[in-house]
Amino acid sequence: KAGVTQTPRYLIKTRGQQVTLSCSPISGHRSVSWYQQTPGQGLQFLFEYFSETQRNKGNFPGRFSGRQFSNSRSEMNVSTLELGDSALYLCASSLARIVGTEAFFGQGTRLTVV
Amino acid sequence: QKEVEQNSGPLSVPEGAIASLNCTYSDRGSQSFFWYRQYSGKSPELIMSIYSNGDKEDGRFTAQLNKASQYVSLLIRDSQPSDSATYLCAVNAGNQFYFGTGTSLTVIP
Repeated sequence: KAGVTQTPRYLIKTRGQQVTLSCSPISGHRSVSWYQQTPGQGLQFLFEYFSETQRNKGNFPGRFSGRQFSNSRSEMNVSTLELGDSALYLCASSLARIVGTEAFFGQGTRLTVV
Repeated sequence: QKEVEQNSGPLSVPEGAIASLNCTYSDRGSQSFFWYRQYSGKSPELIMSIYSNGDKEDGRFTAQLNKASQYVSLLIRDSQPSDSATYLCAVNAGNQFYFGTGTSLTVIP
């Protein structure tokens, strides 16, 4: 059974540019969550999608957006990149049951903004 | 505000010893609890899940849950240098996961 796939694995962008990251969840998983992780910081929750609807959103500026497609694949977009956006971006997929659900992470996309 | 608290460490134990990692959470409605291991530069890897009060053992790992005290712990027996990593506690409340900031564990050969 394939795991969570994130593409690309590495990105280098210039300040002011925009970037789109992709996440393909485990087959059958309908929930996809996105997190930002920077050195010394915990996982900062960005947003969660379920059945193409954003159910939860973290405390990030509007430059961070996402969407989910009918096949549960999700994309995250960051516009007008800033140096502080350099981070490891992780997505996690789950079955989203109330009890007993487990979240599995992809390998992440490491974004460097120069 | 839903919070998950962990001692950031670092926690150092000698090889072969028991490592004890602790976590508290604020939302009494939480029903699912998880421990993830994250090696430097890698993504978190699920190592244990626990849903009811008591102990759950899986190999060298034992997760302990006390919902009355809102407390979750992870014991690693016979610690190995390969266990050196950051351990993240996670709680599922409603339809969202909440993560602690992690405890850094170093196992000294």
